[in-house]
Amino acid sequence: GAGVSQSPSNKVTEKGKDVELRCDPISGHTALYWYRQSLGQGLEFLIYFQGNSAPDKSGLPSDRFSAERTGGSVSTLTIQRTQQEDSAVYLCASSSGQVREAFFGQGTRLTVV
Amino acid sequence: GNSVTQMEGPVTLSEEAFLTINCTYTATGYPSLFWYVQYPGEGLQLLLKATKADDKGSNKGFEATYRKETTSFHLEKGSVQVSDSAVYFCALVNSGNTPLVFGKGTRLSVIA
Repeated sequence: GAGVSQSPSNKVTEKGKDVELRCDPISGHTALYWYRQSLGQGLEFLIYFQGNSAPDKSGLPSDRFSAERTGGSVSTLTIQRTQQEDSAVYLCASSSGQVREAFFGQGTRLTVV
Repeated sequence: GNSVTQMEGPVTLSEEAFLTINCTYTATGYPSLFWYVQYPGEGLQLLLKATKADDKGSNKGFEATYRKETTSFHLEKGSVQVSDSAVYFCALVNSGNTPLVFGKGTRLSVIA
């Protein structure tokens, strides 16, 4: 596609519910990243995919968070039993090539009430 | 491991002032270096990049030079405008299966 697409753009959920966030990277990009940005804060690294495998899952905050990537393309970030502290903007980025400059989606704003 | 340290903000400048935002990095080998910008209410976008030592990245009047000897990639602009108000992130990526690593971001406010 023309750019990184994330859906939904906004999600309000009740505490304790599960949510799925989707990322469609730029076609052909082999690397995919998930970050989290809380209000007024920097970027918190969550997970990185190279193809369908995740060499670095070190940023996932707890076992309630999981992510997968299928077909070297679409990725889904799942948060189980959401908590209020999960409220943030979840950003996805993809990159490819030797320089690996990353292109970001517009993010999903998650609000847990 | 790889890491990026950038100066803490917020930075407040008057219009037409000179801007420097410091960024230093720790990495093995020869990483690629980036500055990303996030304007209010928008997503992150690449501002400039440099892929090897002594390269200068430039865009929209901003410049940064890849200094291997000081492991730095400071962002500069000679004359800032109100429209430059944003959060600026320094980042690096190394070869192999390593993720893109960001600094904590520096918020710049330019006042007229």
